Amino acid sequence: DTEVTQTPKHLVMGMTNKKSLKCEQHMGHRAMYWYKQKAKKPPELMFVYSYEKLSINESVPSRFSPECPNSSLLNLHLHALQPEDSALYLCASSPGLAGVSGELFFGEGSRLTVL
Amino acid sequence: GENVEQHPSTLSVQEGDSAVIKCTYSDSASNYFPWYKQELGKGPQLIIDIRSNVGEKKDQRIAVTLNKTAKHFSLHITETQPEDSAVYFCAAPNLGNTGTASKLTFGTGTRLQVTL
Repeated sequence: DTEVTQTPKHLVMGMTNKKSLKCEQHMGHRAMYWYKQKAKKPPELMFVYSYEKLSINESVPSRFSPECPNSSLLNLHLHALQPEDSALYLCASSPGLAGVSGELFFGEGSRLTVL
Repeated sequence: GENVEQHPSTLSVQEGDSAVIKCTYSDSASNYFPWYKQELGKGPQLIIDIRSNVGEKKDQRIAVTLNKTAKHFSLHITETQPEDSAVYFCAAPNLGNTGTASKLTFGTGTRLQVTL
């Protein structure tokens, strides 16, 4: 079983709605990530938090707003999304930054549909 | 930044046969190469990784080889089983302008189908 928990598993929202995706890990990892994955594509990095500070923003539109309330939690606030934002949103964590400290631990994802 | 190419995009093998997936990378300074397996409806999961100070690593039916000179690395699965059916992604660190690894660049993925 994954040790990164994401909620909700499925979300359907209209373009004017405001919703949030949540992610939680209790492995003591200091880096947390949001990825977006479209069908039959690899995960695309959106944001990286390191020690609860935003360290990477991959030029993501402002309609996506990340938040890291503490070292175990990561949120992604969604507002005024477009249908093309429909995708699987994956949260991940790692002991240090990916590529340096090894394994990324992924959650099972939140499947988002924007109508 | 790092560019990772992965081949083939789909691979169908019979149960018991071997499967090989290949990746190439562009940054000669890259030093860590993980492989992730993504089953339907789940997030990717690390199955094996290799660092640049070794040329091969094995874990039961799975092995990874690394050729630093040619800048390519491969995943080998022997005695394939139906539960090996999944999408496999290779990855390499994106070192950025400072030369410090800040994130991973994933390959485009290989859909492996193991048939009975």
